[in-house]
Amino acid sequence: GAVVSQHPSWVICKSGTSVKIECRSLDFQATTMFWYRQFPKQSLMLMATSNEGSKATYEQGVEKDKFLINHASLTLSTLTVTSAHPEDSSFYICSAQQGSDQPQHFGDGTRLSIL
Amino acid sequence: QKEVEQDPGPLSVPEGAIVSLNCTYSNSAFQYFMWYRQYSRKGPELLMYTYSSGNKEDGRFTAQVDKSSKYISLFIRDSQPSDSATYLCAIPTGGFKTIFGAGTRLFVKA
Repeated sequence: GAVVSQHPSWVICKSGTSVKIECRSLDFQATTMFWYRQFPKQSLMLMATSNEGSKATYEQGVEKDKFLINHASLTLSTLTVTSAHPEDSSFYICSAQQGSDQPQHFGDGTRLSIL
Repeated sequence: QKEVEQDPGPLSVPEGAIVSLNCTYSNSAFQYFMWYRQYSRKGPELLMYTYSSGNKEDGRFTAQVDKSSKYISLFIRDSQPSDSATYLCAIPTGGFKTIFGAGTRLFVKA
């Protein structure tokens, strides 16, 4: 149980394009979903927290116009990296949480490479 | 002082060794504690989820919480090369906020 699916797993695109990453909780309803960024050999960096039907809460320093988050249902959240540039290249991971103080369950991550 | 501290390692052990991974935390009000395993280029996978003090065992893994010392541990018995990964401790701090440790990189040599 508690499976989170994240797609795509790897995407390469040209500078200036927008990229959408999907995160789905397959066998549970997620009250809250999270988006993280991770650089090589570093820990998780929380980008934003989203609740179904409301605006995401972004961490300090994260550009909300660059990283658009939509949480349309209790099982789906999307992250769109708009007008991506090489510095946006990174490993992006989503997670979903069913309730307060419950564990977060993670997707397998998306490796984004911007040329 | 950070709310959760974890030595990033790396920790290198021979196959079959007992591995001890640890975190300390600062707030005595924390009640729930988790350990995740993350393989390279994958998302973290929940290994153990414990409440309050004491031990919890699952196969070769044992999670231990000492609330008096604000110290949590993950023990891996009979370690295998497939256990080579980064291990993160995590503590929910109320509501939907969770603090993750920096992660300890473990290498198990065959």
